[in-house]
Amino acid sequence: GIQVEQSPPDLILQEGANSTLRCNFSDSVNNLQWFHQNPWGQLINLFYIPSGTKQNGRLSATTVATERYSLLYISSSQTTDSGVYFCAVKETSGSRLTFGEGTQLTVNP
Amino acid sequence: GAVVSQHPSRVICKSGTSVKIECRSLDFQATTMFWYRQFPKQSLMLMATSNEGSKATYEQGVEKDKFLINHASLTLSTLTVTSAHPEDSSFYICSARGGRYNEQFFGPGTRLTVL
Repeated sequence: GIQVEQSPPDLILQEGANSTLRCNFSDSVNNLQWFHQNPWGQLINLFYIPSGTKQNGRLSATTVATERYSLLYISSSQTTDSGVYFCAVKETSGSRLTFGEGTQLTVNP
Repeated sequence: GAVVSQHPSRVICKSGTSVKIECRSLDFQATTMFWYRQFPKQSLMLMATSNEGSKATYEQGVEKDKFLINHASLTLSTLTVTSAHPEDSSFYICSARGGRYNEQFFGPGTRLTVL
């Protein structure tokens, strides 16, 4: 099956800093989603981005499908951005999302 | 985006009892629903996929007789953990896809503790 690797596994920032999270995948995909899992476990949809670039406030994402990676940018980070960020992909030939191991982000005041 | 609800949010039960978890898509018709399990500090692992009106497809290693899934309508799926044991304690999350959405939306999860 498809492999999904996220980096870094852990990231600690001071409030106001910017960060880039990376997701590499091993095969062609037709669905890529970024999620934020809050401390209560809820997965929040951030982006549906199988290709291209999208922006939503302080967050933006870029997927380069031909090179099999996606990046999530967080600017001017806030303490409420803390949590785990997951990348999940669906192979072009498949029917389900495969999750990466996540990036644990901690934003300190 | 679409909304998926899940009930209950937390359940504590005795070993040997059965527990039912409900997952509902509130504002779209979910042709496909998914059930995941998440252990502390780990990623989500897919347990099964169900299409409305069809039998669920279970992932390798998931016991279909222990984790009963019913997807009887386009807005409701249920997961029943039968004869629960302490090793079944985990965070269970449902997800749905359908309607005009290509992406999946997730419920808030159910934390199951088996004593």
